[in-house]
Amino acid sequence: GQQVMQIPQYQHVQEGEDFTTYCNSSTTLSNIQWYKQRPGGHPVFLIQLVKSGEVKKQKRLTFQFGEAKKNSSLHITATQTTDVGTYFCAGRGYQKVTFGTGTKLQVIP
Amino acid sequence: DTGVSQNPRHKITKRGQNVTFRCDPISEHNRLYWYRQTLGQGPEFLTYFQNEAQLEKSRLLSDRFSAERPKGSFSTLEIQRTEQGDSAMYLCASSPGRTGGPMNTEAFFGQGTRLTVV
Repeated sequence: GQQVMQIPQYQHVQEGEDFTTYCNSSTTLSNIQWYKQRPGGHPVFLIQLVKSGEVKKQKRLTFQFGEAKKNSSLHITATQTTDVGTYFCAGRGYQKVTFGTGTKLQVIP
Repeated sequence: DTGVSQNPRHKITKRGQNVTFRCDPISEHNRLYWYRQTLGQGPEFLTYFQNEAQLEKSRLLSDRFSAERPKGSFSTLEIQRTEQGDSAMYLCASSPGRTGGPMNTEAFFGQGTRLTVV
């Protein structure tokens, strides 16, 4: 079955440092979405990527979708304390959506 | 508040009891999803509806779980004969869209119902 893995599982960074999380699927994806979940909160949509090799930016966040549509990454430049939370990717295969295992980001002021 | 609403927010039940959760999606959204999330894990897909039609149900869902969306608006998720392994956060999400597969547009999640089976 479809599996979606994320690395790293945890990341502690000093405020101002960059952060990257990687998402890898065992199968080719139709699209991939990224969500952020604050501690005690619910997942909040960040972005959706559909095209092979697609790159999208949202202020300090850069999202990439791999050429083979099996992997994706989220990069945050100059982290802030407001970036704290768990970042999940959600990959859609044929009629099936699988969330990744998540990367928990802790930002040290 | 026009977001996705879930009730109750917390439920503690004894093993073997039945529980029912309710989800009210964003009013114009055709699609409604149920997920289960345990501590430290990503949301796990349970089922989804296009209006009142249940289009997919995870194989992980035992026959103790049932979901309905009778009028294409709110949805209920029932768990019969609860077990301790059912303890989790149950999340509901909704999204617009009439065509294409599940989660092909932005999904809006509710705050969830935290179930504890003792």
